[in-house]
Amino acid sequence: SAVISQKPSRDICQRGTSLTIQCQVDSQVTMMFWYRQQPGQSLTLIATANQGSEATYESGFVIDKFPISRPNLTFSTLTVSNMSPEDSSIYLCSVRQASNYGYTFGSGTRLTVV
Amino acid sequence: AQKVTQAQTEISVVEKEDVTLDCVYETRDTTYYLFWYKQPPSGELVFLIRRNSFDEQNEISGRYSWNFQKSTSSFNFTITASQVVDSAVYFCALNSLGDAGNMLTFGGGTRLMVKP
Repeated sequence: SAVISQKPSRDICQRGTSLTIQCQVDSQVTMMFWYRQQPGQSLTLIATANQGSEATYESGFVIDKFPISRPNLTFSTLTVSNMSPEDSSIYLCSVRQASNYGYTFGSGTRLTVV
Repeated sequence: AQKVTQAQTEISVVEKEDVTLDCVYETRDTTYYLFWYKQPPSGELVFLIRRNSFDEQNEISGRYSWNFQKSTSSFNFTITASQVVDSAVYFCALNSLGDAGNMLTFGGGTRLMVKP
């Protein structure tokens, strides 16, 4: 299965700033997903990022707040913009492998906004 | 629409006890995939199992076993002779290939605490 390298693993940021999270996959994948996990909660899909097209955002998430780039089939970034303490969460990227319908996750970025 | 319900938010057991984590799902599709993931305190998601809707065979992997029953829309997970290292949050998830497309829908998670 695919291996995902996600960076940074954690960060503490000042409110009003932005943080860009990177995910690098060791193989080409069509679909990449970004999830948010608020403290003590389950995972919520932010958006689906396909190469060569605009990301598709789920209800409650907007591009201005969570811009996503997907320049090629092995890389994607998620930016958390104009952060507030409410953005403190774990952010995870994920890929779906067409060969076996499996989903692999990055190790997560634990973000704390102060 | 697809939905996953894990009614047990927290379970506490003593080491060596058996424990079952419940998962009930909803989907209108006939083709779908069910998953279980483990999330230890470090935060990463560890894949445990994937089951497609056409395979109702139960599965056993070491101390772990899964009971898939389409009649009750359940995909329960049992840990036999639990160990302290099993302490984690466990998520059940669903991907149905119809309306939901490619997204993975997660249940709320069950926090398992295994005490020595």
